[in-house]
Order: sequence, then structure tokens, then C-alpha cells
Amino acid sequence: AQSVTQPDIHITVSEGASLELRCNYSYGATPYLFWYVQSPGQGLQLLLKYFSGDTLVQGIKGFEAEFKRSQSSFNLRKPSVHWSDAAEYFCAVGEGLTGGGNKLTFGTGTQLKVEL
Amino acid sequence: DAGVTQSPTHLIKTRGQQVTLRCSPKSGHDTVSWYQQALGQGPQFIFQYYEEEERQRGNFPDRFSGHQFPNYSSELNVNALLLGDSALYLCASSLGPLNQPQHFGDGTRLSIL
Repeated sequence: AQSVTQPDIHITVSEGASLELRCNYSYGATPYLFWYVQSPGQGLQLLLKYFSGDTLVQGIKGFEAEFKRSQSSFNLRKPSVHWSDAAEYFCAVGEGLTGGGNKLTFGTGTQLKVEL
Repeated sequence: DAGVTQSPTHLIKTRGQQVTLRCSPKSGHDTVSWYQQALGQGPQFIFQYYEEEERQRGNFPDRFSGHQFPNYSSELNVNALLLGDSALYLCASSLGPLNQPQHFGDGTRLSIL
């Protein structure tokens, strides 16, 4: 079965500093990979996605992620963090299911705190 | 362009009761998936509806059931509520059951007393 691991439960960075959030996945086939962000009391907003092709994908809000098949990783990066980036970040793998349909399997999330 | 809308935003129930949550998909989307997000956890897949049928189901008991209407909106029903059912319930929609990404609503916060 597929799984997603986000090893960092909490991360604190200073505003203006760079950010990298780690994500490792376990999936037998070529994965569909996603990063979502969740602010308190809100749903999930899609930051970026990887389906195939270029392994470095650009997303919204200045985020990017790099797919590394050899390491089964899909880490999220941002060169300069803004205070408004404080939120919880979820990595997810999309799985096509027998009989049609698909589902997302999420990691447990990384809570990002930004110090001013 | 209306996104995914869910109602109600908050709900308080007691053990043993039944609850119905509602979801309207993003305009143009025809597939709805439901997820349960317990406090401090990532969302867990409950089931997916397409063409008014349950197409896929995650590891949830039969107390969790759903429905999709001809206008693509959906309901999630939970019977015999347990304390452990307290969670944020998220609805996500997509165009077709195989398509990604899924777009999420803001969820319904269900509290069981």
C-alpha cells in the first residue's frame, strides 16, 4: 500500500529565510504527487503537483518542489519565507484504484511557524 | 467560479445520533470524494462518488454512507456516532474519477459529546 512520510512535525524559520519541507513516499508505480497547505479552520489549498516530465515543478505563492525518484522524495522549497506562509503543509500521493477512481493518501503534515 | 462548498461549517452531536453533511462540487466538476481529518492528522479517504454511485471506499465502517445527486452534489451520512468520529470532514471534487488534482472545501467540523 502507498504511504507518505513527513518526518518533520514542526518547523520554525525566520521571515526571509529559505524553507525546505521533506516528503518521502512509498508507491509502486509512477506517482502523482501533491503539496497542499491548510490554514487554521480552512480546507486544503493545492500548492503544486507533479504528474510527469520535468522533475522540478513550480507552484503558487513562490513554492517549488523537486521529484527525486531514486530517493522517493518530493521536497517542498521556498527561497524566502513570508509571515503569511505560517500554516500546515501536507504532502500527498494520488493513487488510481482498481475499478476506476482515485484517492489521495496524505502524510501527517508539517506545521510551519514563521518568526518575525 | 464557485469553489467547493460544504455545510454546515460546525456541528455538535451526541453519541448514538446520526448526522448528514453536504457538499457542492466546484463548478464543472462531477466527482466528489470525502475525507476525514482527525486532529493532528492528515486527511483519510472515506469514499468517492461518480455518476451517483460509490466508486471507491476507504477503510471506514458501514456506518459511513453517502449519496450523490444528479446535480453532482453529495451527502455524507454517519450513523450511530462515536466519540472517535469527531473530526473535520472534507469534501473534494474533480472532473472525472481519474482526474487530479482534487479541489477541497473548507470542511465541516463535527464534534461528538
